[in-house]
Amino acid sequence: SQQGEEDPQALSIQEGENATMNCSYKTSINNLQWYRQNSGRGLVHLILIRSNEREKHSGRLRVTLDTSKKSSSLLITASRAADTASYFCATPGADSWGKLQFGAGTQVVVTP
Amino acid sequence: KAGVTQTPRYLIKTRGQQVTLSCSPISGHRSVSWYQQTPGQGLQFLFEYFSETQRNKGNFPGRFSGRQFSNSRSEMNVSTLELGDSALYLCASSFGQGEGNTIYFGEGSWLTVV
Repeated sequence: SQQGEEDPQALSIQEGENATMNCSYKTSINNLQWYRQNSGRGLVHLILIRSNEREKHSGRLRVTLDTSKKSSSLLITASRAADTASYFCATPGADSWGKLQFGAGTQVVVTP
Repeated sequence: KAGVTQTPRYLIKTRGQQVTLSCSPISGHRSVSWYQQTPGQGLQFLFEYFSETQRNKGNFPGRFSGRQFSNSRSEMNVSTLELGDSALYLCASSFGQGEGNTIYFGEGSWLTVV
């Protein structure tokens, strides 16, 4: 089974609104990474948050990590049509840092 | 600096053929990993290489193989292609293997098996 599970599976919002998606994982981790994927394209790295960090910001993105609940959230503020994409959280495998485990992703549609 | 580069971007193969996909990691990165993405199974780990050594392998049949060269460039090969091998194959690279190493992905290679 997959390590990370994103929620919701799909999200439809209007430009200017905020979008929040959540990720839950099963085992202890040292870090968690969020990625964006536009249709048919590769994964774009957004943020890496370490297990000793609770919150991290990058531009309009805010990521939180709650290791006690084994969950993370990604907030996109003031969304734009260009934010339309699938968003994935990824955690390293227990046996290898380079073996990322992904959830099914959250598909975000931002309408003008 | 250049990102992770994958070639070819798109290819169509016939069942039973074999295919080789290439990946050039970000300059200075020594760790390369491969993933398969399909609508049904999502993103699944294939292999991980560091300094020319395979460090980990995912749950894929032996038809899937890979290697890494001394310049960190990597290739993966799929032999005896099946229709179910149609997927987006993604390569990723990172500087090392330690905790906190950001992993960067390429644009992927779209493989269609007919």
